[in-house]
Amino acid sequence: GAVVSQHPSWVICKSGTSVKIECRSLDFQATTMFWYRQFPKQSLMLMATSNEGSKATYEQGVEKDKFLINHASLTLSTLTVTSAHPEDSSFYICSALGTSDHTDTQYFGPGTRLTVL
Amino acid sequence: QKEVEQDPGPLSVPEGAIVSLNCTYSNSAFQYFMWYRQYSRKGPELLMYTYSSGNKEDGRFTAQVDKSSKYISLFIRDSQPSDSATYLCAMRPGRRALTFGSGTRLQVQP
Repeated sequence: GAVVSQHPSWVICKSGTSVKIECRSLDFQATTMFWYRQFPKQSLMLMATSNEGSKATYEQGVEKDKFLINHASLTLSTLTVTSAHPEDSSFYICSALGTSDHTDTQYFGPGTRLTVL
Repeated sequence: QKEVEQDPGPLSVPEGAIVSLNCTYSNSAFQYFMWYRQYSRKGPELLMYTYSSGNKEDGRFTAQVDKSSKYISLFIRDSQPSDSATYLCAMRPGRRALTFGSGTRLQVQP
């Protein structure tokens, strides 16, 4: 199956700092990428939909100025958590939707565990 | 009411048992149905993908979709301890984000 990578796999930062998470589709082009957040023992909650070359669409309740998303190419999307606070500590997962052979399937990255002290 | 309902479990079965996992949903626009497996602290891994109603089999896994009842199932035959994980159903109307169930934790006892 298609491969999606995320970097870093985990990060610990101080409150008030910004953290950037990268999501890459390694063997296919993704016009659309999604960012999810997952708290312990809970399911994945969609944060935003990112389309290559356009602004991201955020779900209700997700602050777009706090969670900056950039989808500059067909293989890379980034999520920047600005001025992170302890309540932002979570497991962030991206998924990518293919453009050709994988048009109907979303593939997920391995996730990034963020801990804000 | 959530768009997708899934029993969180935990579900504990002996090795070799047949496991049945289910989800119900309310949005009739959903067309694509998936089952993902997620191990602790890992991203979801796609297990099965079906479009519209019907059955699909892949090895020990069988996925069923009944759109008339808004009900989907995943069956695991000859379950193994390595199948112990959280199983998430997910669905979407088209080329959009997935809506997930809450996940069912499965424990297969050796």
